[in-house]
Amino acid sequence: KNEVEQSPQNLTAQEGEFITINCSYSVGISALHWLQQHPGGGIVSLFMLSSGKKKHGRLIATINIQEKHSSLHITASHPRDSAVYICAVRSQYLNTGFQKLVFGTGTRLLVSP
Amino acid sequence: EPEVTQTPSHQVTQMGQEVILRCVPISNHLYFYWYRQILGQKVEFLVSFYNNEISEKSEIFDDQFSVERPDGSNFTLKIRSTKLEDSAMYFCASSWGTVNSPLHFGNGTRLTVT
Repeated sequence: KNEVEQSPQNLTAQEGEFITINCSYSVGISALHWLQQHPGGGIVSLFMLSSGKKKHGRLIATINIQEKHSSLHITASHPRDSAVYICAVRSQYLNTGFQKLVFGTGTRLLVSP
Repeated sequence: EPEVTQTPSHQVTQMGQEVILRCVPISNHLYFYWYRQILGQKVEFLVSFYNNEISEKSEIFDDQFSVERPDGSNFTLKIRSTKLEDSAMYFCASSWGTVNSPLHFGNGTRLTVT
């Protein structure tokens, strides 16, 4: 069983739609990351959170530690949001500066104009 | 904004050859990492490096792999004798080192072993 599961695996949306990507994990964690992988392969860190909610522009990330679940929301989606969105977790035993992450398989998002 | 840079962006090599993948982490960062992504699969942790030594490595990081920080800026991953299954995208990453410091990734080196 994967330690980090994401859903859906693929997501298509029309420009302007509200998008939700889900991440569930089975291990104790000290932090959860949301990352964006562009078609060329580069990875950009979007959020790192250990509780509550964070917002950056049109992106919102939430986490429920008790339920071991996190969501990434994109409001007013745009074709430039098309990418793979990856959830990754850091073990609870690594509550230090180390960022050894366990990755989910990613959600491929395609936003059409 | 400072960024992690990796060179080359694409490396093609023959099976059995040695390759060195290069990375320049963000200058004031203290923790360095290599991750790998085989095509179509998820990203996997290879190794972390702190204070000039390996702090942790995965099962993937066997004796064929080594890392080095030869000077104050470069961080390299060497694969001594490449195999076909080493073909993947290799990502270097770095972080400052506090609990909440984010992880910064390079754009990756795509390694193709033929």
